[in-house]
Amino acid sequence: GNSVTQMEGPVTLSEEAFLTINCTYTATGYPSLFWYVQYPGEGLQLLLKATKADDKGSNKGFEATYRKETTSFHLEKGSVQVSDSAVYFCALSDRGGNNRLAFGKGNQVVVIP
Amino acid sequence: KAGVTQTPRYLIKTRGQQVTLSCSPISGHRSVSWYQQTPGQGLQFLFEYFSETQRNKGNFPGRFSGRQFSNSRSEMNVSTLELGDSALYLCASSPGQANSPLHFGNGTRLTVT
Repeated sequence: GNSVTQMEGPVTLSEEAFLTINCTYTATGYPSLFWYVQYPGEGLQLLLKATKADDKGSNKGFEATYRKETTSFHLEKGSVQVSDSAVYFCALSDRGGNNRLAFGKGNQVVVIP
Repeated sequence: KAGVTQTPRYLIKTRGQQVTLSCSPISGHRSVSWYQQTPGQGLQFLFEYFSETQRNKGNFPGRFSGRQFSNSRSEMNVSTLELGDSALYLCASSPGQANSPLHFGNGTRLTVT
C-alpha cells in the first residue's frame, strides 16, 4: 500500500538557518504529494502540494519538488523564522478520486531566536 | 468563511462506554474525512463520506463508525471504548474533487480511562 517516510526526530535550528525535512514515499501509480503544517493547538493546514513529477510546490518561502526518480518530496526553506516552529507532515494521495491521505509521522521543528 | 468546526474539543470517557464526535464542514464542502492522531501511530485515515455515502474506509475495527447528514455535517461514533482509543480525532472537509486540499478542524481530544 501507499506509505510515506519522514526523517526521524525533531529538528532544532537557529533563526535564519536553512531547513530541510526529508520525505520519501512508496506508492503505486502517480500520487499527489502534500506538505501539511500543524501549529501548536491547531489543526493541520495545507502548506504546499505537487500533483505530477517535476512539479514544484511553494508557499510562505517553503518549497518542495516532486522527484519521481528518487520517490522524494523534500521540504526546504532558505531562512526560517521563530514563527515556523510547528510540526510538518508529508502526505500523499492516490489518483483514485478520493481524499484518503497517507501521512508520514511528522517532524517537530523548533526555531530558536 | 467559517472553518471546519469540531465539537467537543475535549472528552473524557471510561472504558466500555461509547462516544460521538461531531464535525461541521466548510460551507459548500461535500466531503468529510476523519483521521486519528496518536504519538505512536501518527495520523491514520478512518473514513471519508461524500454526499451522505461512505466513499473510503481505513483499517479500523467496526467499533468505529460514522455518518454524514444531508447538510454535510458528519458524526463519528466509537463504541465499547478501549484505552488505546485515546487520541486526537481530526475531521477534514473538502469540495470532494480529486486532490482538492483538505481543510482540517482543530480536533477532538478523547481520553479513555
